[in-house]
Amino acid sequence: DQQVKQNSPSLSVQEGRISILNCDYTNSMFDYFLWYKKYPAEGPTFLISISSIKDKNEDGRFTVFLNKSAKHLSLHIVPSQPGDSAVYFCGAGGTSYGKLTFGQGTILTVHP
Amino acid sequence: ETGVTQTPRHLVMGMTNKKSLKCEQHLGHNAMYWYKQSAKKPLELMFVYNFKEQTENNSVPSRFSPECPNSSHLFLHLHTLQPEDSALYLCASSQDVGSGGEQFFGPGTRLTVL
Repeated sequence: DQQVKQNSPSLSVQEGRISILNCDYTNSMFDYFLWYKKYPAEGPTFLISISSIKDKNEDGRFTVFLNKSAKHLSLHIVPSQPGDSAVYFCGAGGTSYGKLTFGQGTILTVHP
Repeated sequence: ETGVTQTPRHLVMGMTNKKSLKCEQHLGHNAMYWYKQSAKKPLELMFVYNFKEQTENNSVPSRFSPECPNSSHLFLHLHTLQPEDSALYLCASSQDVGSGGEQFFGPGTRLTVL
């Protein structure tokens, strides 16, 4: 049973426009969520996180929104840049057990 | 060296070989993890170590054997693997398990089993 799902395997966006990456989860015990970015031949790098007590967290061009009732979170990138092209993983964890559970990843391509 | 390092970066092995993957973290963290990433699949957690003690084995076959001699080093010993074990193996570390903080990943070892 996959507890964290990213239903869009890929997303293509024009430079300067908004990229919206989505993630759904099923485990109500998750109380913090993270987004990681992965370039080819590199390990994932942390991008932004949000705890369940918030519904929005912003860091520069990146904003994560959390809808607890829908068990859904999204990552918004505005404006998108070609250097944002990478695989984005959504991760969810519970402070009661600590480990992270990841989605399948979404390949974002930002065209110049 | 900074962050999390992994060696080798690439490994090709036959099904009868024995090899080991090495991970080292220079962050002073207490928790280390092994993940497997296969194409179009989620990152799969394999093992968790907290203060050198294994706290989780996620139903991983015995042909994968982890070893954590200290909080900075983590090994994954491989023996009689199958072609379907070909994947990217990622090591990560965090301050400790359950802190709710981010994990820092190494670059991974791309493993091909022939």
